[in-house]
This record gives sequence, C-alpha cells and structure tokens, in this order.
Amino acid sequence: DAGVIQSPRHEVTEMGQEVTLRCKPISGHNSLFWYRQTMMRGLELLIYFNNNVPIDDSGMPEDRFSAKMPNASFSTLKIQPSEPRDSAVYFCASSFNGRDSPLHFGNGTRLTVT
Amino acid sequence: AQKVTQAQTEISVVEKEDVTLDCVYETRDTTYYLFWYKQPPSGELVFLIRRNSFDEQNEISGRYSWNFQKSTSSFNFTITASQVVDSAVYFCALSGYGNNRLAFGKGNQVVVIP
Repeated sequence: DAGVIQSPRHEVTEMGQEVTLRCKPISGHNSLFWYRQTMMRGLELLIYFNNNVPIDDSGMPEDRFSAKMPNASFSTLKIQPSEPRDSAVYFCASSFNGRDSPLHFGNGTRLTVT
Repeated sequence: AQKVTQAQTEISVVEKEDVTLDCVYETRDTTYYLFWYKQPPSGELVFLIRRNSFDEQNEISGRYSWNFQKSTSSFNFTITASQVVDSAVYFCALSGYGNNRLAFGKGNQVVVIP
C-alpha cells in the first residue's frame, strides 16, 4: 500500500515568494495533520483535519500560512509570502481516527527560504 | 495541555549494548495514548509502538520493549542488543482522549557505535 505522499521533497525559494506543499494521505484515513520540524522547536502541529474539515489550526504561526483539504485524498499547505524563518521540514501525516491510531508520516518537504 | 519531556538529548552506545530512553509526560486527561516514533538519518518518521493509558501491561516486541508506569507518568523505551541500524532520533508522543493533537517530545538522538 502506498504511504503518505508529499511533494515536493525539497523546495528552495526566495523570501516573499509563495510556497505550496502538497500531501496525499493514505486511502481510507480520515484524519490529516501538518507538522513542522525545526531544530529549535522540534515537531510542532500546525493544523489537522478530520473528514476534510479543519478542526484545530491553533498551531498555524501566522496568517501567511493557510491549509486546505478539498477532498479526502489531497491537502495543501501554503505560505504566502514566505520568510527565511519558515525554513524547516514540513511533514504531512494521516491516521484512521487520529486519536489513538498511529500517525503515518510522509517523507517530508524540506523548505529553504533564502 | 499535553506535554512530553525527553531529558536525554544524545545517547551513545556500543553495538549489542541495551539502551533505554526515558519519557515523562503530563496530561489532565484520564484517558490518553502514548507512542514512540523513530526518525532515522533519512528523515522519515516511523511509528514503533502505542500504549493506552488504561493498559499498563509492559510488553516486548522483538528487540523493543517498553515500561509504562502511570504512577510516575513515565513511558520508557528500551532497545535490546542495539545495532547500527538503530541509530536514529526517537520521539515519545502523547495524545489525549478529547483531541487529536499529538504532542511530541524533543527526541533522543541514539548513536550506536560499531
């Protein structure tokens, strides 16, 4: 079975540009999560969806960040405009019900904003 | 709010030695779920084990074992007879019954020396 698929694997962009990260969850999973990993802050939950509906976006750092899940098989995380401090690895994860089922993570997108 | 503390940052062991990773958690929930994840140098996050708060039975799975003690809010993880492939960052994580937010500790960097 295919796991969580994220694209791109690496993204290098200049400050001020728009960045869109993409995620395809595991088929049948109804919870989707976006995490950010940095050396300073570790793994932080940005937002999660349940049945395509955003449930908790309290981890989204600023209005520059937005996430959508138009259907059960696709989600995007957008940063506009990007800043150097957004440089991090962004992980997407999915699970069957999110609470006690393990999260299955994608390979992550390493974002570098110069 | 959920909080996970992994005090040890880096642990070095010689191959075939056992290594135990400490995890202490805080939660107000009476029902909660504990997890261990592994992040090898390649960067992906791999689910290892899960425990429910109402099940304190400790188990062994292959070379992995865990010691869950509610009285001390600890969920320690042991790798027996370590191998070089065990070199990775190991994360302890916690989610509460009422929400899907998985809170991660800062991680333990395990280095297995051949």
